[in-house]
Amino acid sequence: DGGITQSPKYLFRKEGQNVTLSCEQNLNHDAMYWYRQDPGQGLRLIYYSQIVNDFQKGDIAEGYSVSREKKESFPLTVTSAQKNPTAFYLCASSRGGGGQPQHFGDGTRLSIL
Amino acid sequence: DQQVKQNSPSLSVQEGRISILNCDYTNSMFDYFLWYKKYPAEGPTFLISISSIKDKNEDGRFTVFLNKSAKHLSLHIVPSQPGDSAVYFCAASALGYGKLTFGQGTILTVHP
Repeated sequence: DGGITQSPKYLFRKEGQNVTLSCEQNLNHDAMYWYRQDPGQGLRLIYYSQIVNDFQKGDIAEGYSVSREKKESFPLTVTSAQKNPTAFYLCASSRGGGGQPQHFGDGTRLSIL
Repeated sequence: DQQVKQNSPSLSVQEGRISILNCDYTNSMFDYFLWYKKYPAEGPTFLISISSIKDKNEDGRFTVFLNKSAKHLSLHIVPSQPGDSAVYFCAASALGYGKLTFGQGTILTVHP
């Protein structure tokens, strides 16, 4: 079955550490996205990539970094510069361009120890 | 600046009745709108979408209405079922740009 796989489901980080969240898709989608959800809030866009080897900042990119070396993969690194990293992180993909729904993975919950 | 707003944090409906979820937007460049359903600790699931050239789109029990002059869209669920209980997000984008802007979500509870 085609889909988006995020791993791990739960992740714990110590203060001052960087941590990388994995996102893999086998839908052959060109575009991939990372969102953050906080309690009682909607999804906020961190980074997105419309094509391999290219990505753009979203609304809340500070303290995060990404890479897009393969079409199937779009890992997100939460750096120590992110002051409030505890949140639910969601990865999505779409065929790209406009007018296409995004399909989401099941998310990774990141907590600070 | 909240460009997509869902002003009702929650909605409670009896099974079999109609659920109406509302969404307002401010950015006139938005021309593609979507509704997603989300359960706790899971990713959102795409429900239905509408482009600005239409004012209505139906898919089974779900209908989305778009009022461009009022910058307002709504999702109607008829008849509502207990399994519909979830958080519903509306989202918007400008055609040609894939990035979505989401509302804050509305918690729908359907009572048996």
